[in-house]
Amino acid sequence: SQTIHQWPATLVQPVGSPLSLECTVEGTSNPNLYWYRQAAGRGLQLLFYSIGIDQISSEVPQNLSASRPQDRQFILSSKKLLLSDSGFYLCAWSVPAGRKHYGYTFGSGTRLTVV
Amino acid sequence: QKEVEQDPGPLSVPEGAIVSLNCTYSNSAFQYFMWYRQYSRKGPELLMYTYSSGNKEDGRFTAQVDKSSKYISLFIRDSQPSDSATYLCAIPPTDSWGKLQFGAGTQVVVTP
Repeated sequence: SQTIHQWPATLVQPVGSPLSLECTVEGTSNPNLYWYRQAAGRGLQLLFYSIGIDQISSEVPQNLSASRPQDRQFILSSKKLLLSDSGFYLCAWSVPAGRKHYGYTFGSGTRLTVV
Repeated sequence: QKEVEQDPGPLSVPEGAIVSLNCTYSNSAFQYFMWYRQYSRKGPELLMYTYSSGNKEDGRFTAQVDKSSKYISLFIRDSQPSDSATYLCAIPPTDSWGKLQFGAGTQVVVTP
């Protein structure tokens, strides 16, 4: 069966520090991968999506970047965090494009607080 | 105009009541409709998945699609405090890429 792992669960970082959040998927090949941010009381905001290694699209201009060095690994990074980067970050995967859409499977999330 | 609209609530109901949630969408070509449940500080999980118009029932949960009105609903019967969560509707696009359109999510609180 497929599983998705996301870590860390909680992170408190000072303004200006770097960030690296990692997400890995097991049990499937060539998944579509996504990074979302959810501010307190707000909906899901798509940050990045990827259809393959080194194939990443950004949805909104921001202080963040994403990389996919391996098929089932997706990394969210920042060189210098801002206060506005605080939020709940979610990784998700779905079956590749062209097949029936079964929805997303989300990771357990990372709660980031920038202080 | 957003493709999927959902009232963010919060919606507070007493235990045992029927919870009624809904979303509207703009693209009449949408065919699949999903509901996710998200507990506090957790990732969303797929709750219901329906195709085209009609009803789908799973235990205490019923998902309803009215394509003529572009309106989808989720009903929770005999609500329990454990149903307290945020419920998000989600609709897959009509192209092959697969980027889900999410509603804003409705927070539901079931009080004992």
